[in-house]
Amino acid sequence: DIQMTQSPSSLSASVGDRVTITCRASQSITTYLNWYQQKPGKAPKVLIYAASNLQSGVPSRFSGSGSGTDFTLTISSLQSEDFATYHCQQSYSTPWTFGQGTKVEIK
Amino acid sequence: QVQLQESGPGLVKPSETLSLTCTVSGGSLSSYYWIWIRQPPGKGLEWIGHIYSSGGTNYNPSLKSRVTISLDMSKNQFSLELTSVTAADTAVYYCGRNLQQLVNSYYYFYMDVWGKGTTVTVSS
Repeated sequence: DIQMTQSPSSLSASVGDRVTITCRASQSITTYLNWYQQKPGKAPKVLIYAASNLQSGVPSRFSGSGSGTDFTLTISSLQSEDFATYHCQQSYSTPWTFGQGTKVEIK
Repeated sequence: QVQLQESGPGLVKPSETLSLTCTVSGGSLSSYYWIWIRQPPGKGLEWIGHIYSSGGTNYNPSLKSRVTISLDMSKNQFSLELTSVTAADTAVYYCGRNLQQLVNSYYYFYMDVWGKGTTVTVSS
């Protein structure tokens, strides 16, 4: 199985901050990497697919980059509604696997 | 707009079979992959498996001996069965649609529609 490791596990930030979350795969997954946002008690919601493609309806302050084993999700200016847990997921090979999640909290 | 809704027992006894159904409204099962994901309390997401509208399946090897995902096209539903459950199977179970998107001549998969999730507790 491909292991996905996110860092940090949690972070505290203020509204307006630039936030960066990283995800590392245990082997190359080219650009088969998706990012999801999950709020408490809710299902995840896709933000980014294929490493850098913004899902329709997702604000442009979210962006993704990377290829191979190292990937980044960036929120350019954190908004109050962005406080949530973020998950990366590889769809390069089954079993599809997720990172452990990064919780973004209010400072 | 496609919507998904999970249904099934919230409590299952150890060693018994967990059975969940996902009802799809606002769209058809045809030409899509349909997926089950679970999230144990306080933990990350785990892919259980998926089924294509033609009936082909792919399961997580860690669960493969216990899992069956099936389709009922007439009811626009797909289902999950997990046998011989233990406390480790306690989780929120989500059904979802797995979209196949063409990007730069390659197909990519991601989950674009999710159900709200249903909590299943394994306990006697």
